[in-house]
Amino acid sequence: SAVISQKPSRDICQRGTSLTIQCQVDSQVTMMFWYRQQPGQSLTLIATANQGSEATYESGFVIDKFPISRPNLTFSTLTVSNMSPEDSSIYLCSVEGGLAGLSGANVLTFGAGSRLTVL
Amino acid sequence: GENVEQHPSTLSVQEGDSAVIKCTYSDSASNYFPWYKQELGKGPQLIIDIRSNVGEKKDQRIAVTLNKTAKHFSLHITETQPEDSAVYFCAAGMDSSYKLIFGSGTRLLVRP
Repeated sequence: SAVISQKPSRDICQRGTSLTIQCQVDSQVTMMFWYRQQPGQSLTLIATANQGSEATYESGFVIDKFPISRPNLTFSTLTVSNMSPEDSSIYLCSVEGGLAGLSGANVLTFGAGSRLTVL
Repeated sequence: GENVEQHPSTLSVQEGDSAVIKCTYSDSASNYFPWYKQELGKGPQLIIDIRSNVGEKKDQRIAVTLNKTAKHFSLHITETQPEDSAVYFCAAGMDSSYKLIFGSGTRLLVRP
């Protein structure tokens, strides 16, 4: 399965600033996704990062707040813009594909996440 | 749209006992149901999944059952061990899409 590296692993940010999270995959993947996990909550899909075109955002998420780049098939960034304390969450990158024996449509592998705290 | 409910939110069991986590979904078109395990400081990891063409799937101490008529599915862990302690998420999706709707999670504590 793919190995995903996310940076930063955690950060403390000031209100009103922006932070860019990087996601690097060790193999080329077609599908890359960004999820948000608010404290003690479940995972919510923010957007699908499309290589060579604009990201596809889910309801409730907009490009101005969460701009995404996908310059190639192994890398993506998510920026959290003009942050407020409500943006304090774990942001997770995920890609298609999983462990041998569990592969198939829909199978996702997740990175370790980037824990953001906004003061 | 799809809605997934998961129960219980926390579960504490004695080592060696069994643990059962239940989920219900609302969209009858959903046909893919994975379970993810998230350990502290790590991302969720897929541990088992089931598709709607089967009613049960087993992998060593872990099993998942699916009742399409009732629209619910369950995770069963037998002979629990302390390393099973984690947060478990169920999810529902469709073969035609990578989009998954996750349940709210169950924090499982296995007491030694």
